[in-house]
Amino acid sequence: KAGVTQTPRYLIKTRGQQVTLSCSPISGHRSVSWYQQTPGQGLQFLFEYFSETQRNKGNFPGRFSGRQFSNSRSEMNVSTLELGDSALYLCASSSTSANEQFFGPGTRLTVL
Amino acid sequence: AQSVSQHNHHVILSEAASLELGCNYSYGGTVNLFWYVQYPGQHLQLLLKYFSGDPLVKGIKGFEAEFIKSKFSFNLRKPSVQWSDTAEYFCAVTKRVRNTGNQFYFGTGTSLTVIP
Repeated sequence: KAGVTQTPRYLIKTRGQQVTLSCSPISGHRSVSWYQQTPGQGLQFLFEYFSETQRNKGNFPGRFSGRQFSNSRSEMNVSTLELGDSALYLCASSSTSANEQFFGPGTRLTVL
Repeated sequence: AQSVSQHNHHVILSEAASLELGCNYSYGGTVNLFWYVQYPGQHLQLLLKYFSGDPLVKGIKGFEAEFIKSKFSFNLRKPSVQWSDTAEYFCAVTKRVRNTGNQFYFGTGTSLTVIP
């Protein structure tokens, strides 16, 4: 099976812009979660989607949003970018609740 | 609020030394527990997991972890580390409650450097 894929792998944006990141889960996986990884903070949970519905949400401002499509692919959007949004954004998929998560390579976002 | 604590932020060991990385969590209910590893330049990948049964679980590459419910701990161990174990290690917990979905709580990670 192909693994979790994320596009793009690298992004450079300026403050105030918006960005959309994409994630394709492993075939058959219906749960997709997004994380922000920064040095010293570890992985911070953003949200989880299951069957096109947001099932869990972390403690991030409303500038961070996401959606999931009927084929389980997911997108994450960040509006009005701030310098502090620079991070590695990871997507993970799993087949059932609380099961093992499989991670993608991440999208490295740099905000200038 | 949920939290996962990894008390060792940076660990430096010589090859063949024994390793123990601490992980404590705060949730009082039934949990699933995981250790993930991130080798330099690679994806996060699962080392081992505990759902139920024998609290001593064995994972890949000679790693094992012990779940001690009374201590809310899930420490990772390896009797003899190798240079190739240099990586960042993350402990993670999910609550095992029906229909709550898949919210994983991760620790901040432990960076392990093994000196040849």
